Amino acid sequence: GIQVEQSPPDLILQEGANSTLRCNFSDSVNNLQWFHQNPWGQLINLFYIPSGTKQNGRLSATTVATERYSLLYISSSQTTDSGVYFCAVEKKNTGNQFYFGTGTSLTVIP
Amino acid sequence: DTGVSQDPRHKITKRGQNVTFRCDPISEHNRLYWYRQTLGQGPEFLTYFQNEAQLEKSRLLSDRFSAERPKGSFSTLEIQRTEQGDSAMYLCAISGLSRETQYFGPGTRLLVL
Repeated sequence: GIQVEQSPPDLILQEGANSTLRCNFSDSVNNLQWFHQNPWGQLINLFYIPSGTKQNGRLSATTVATERYSLLYISSSQTTDSGVYFCAVEKKNTGNQFYFGTGTSLTVIP
Repeated sequence: DTGVSQDPRHKITKRGQNVTFRCDPISEHNRLYWYRQTLGQGPEFLTYFQNEAQLEKSRLLSDRFSAERPKGSFSTLEIQRTEQGDSAMYLCAISGLSRETQYFGPGTRLLVL
């Protein structure tokens, strides 16, 4: 398999604050995605980002594949950003299994 | 709306009973995945279909678990002789051939008493 570690495990923010979430992975990957799981359990895809940088509104993500990590930036956080953020990777050249990290639980307080 | 529905949304059963879950993509997608998620953990891969062919199965998928995707559209996941350790959220996801983005259904929450 492949090890996927996320940090921090828990994060509490005041509304309007910025944050950076990190995902480290132990081997080369050909697919990396970030997901948000809302309090009702629904997983929503945020980014497909095996390398490079992408931005979508207040969210942006950067993956440095050669150093085996990815970062998710949340700016001007809102209470609706609360939930658990997961990164998921597909190991290079080994089929179609996606491995999820244990997630970062984010709580944004008003 | 992610374009994936799952049924039922909740299931309570007694140990030893069989249960079946269904996943319905609204539109055609080549790839369909099943995951299991327990409290405080990320989803764990169970199995994967490309069209109707089941191409990969995790070692987590014991002989009591079976999945099908007839005609490459909807999929079913059956658990036979359920055990308390099977209690979890069962998630279905779809993607296209490029696998760039996975779209998840709302999940089926199973409780085995």
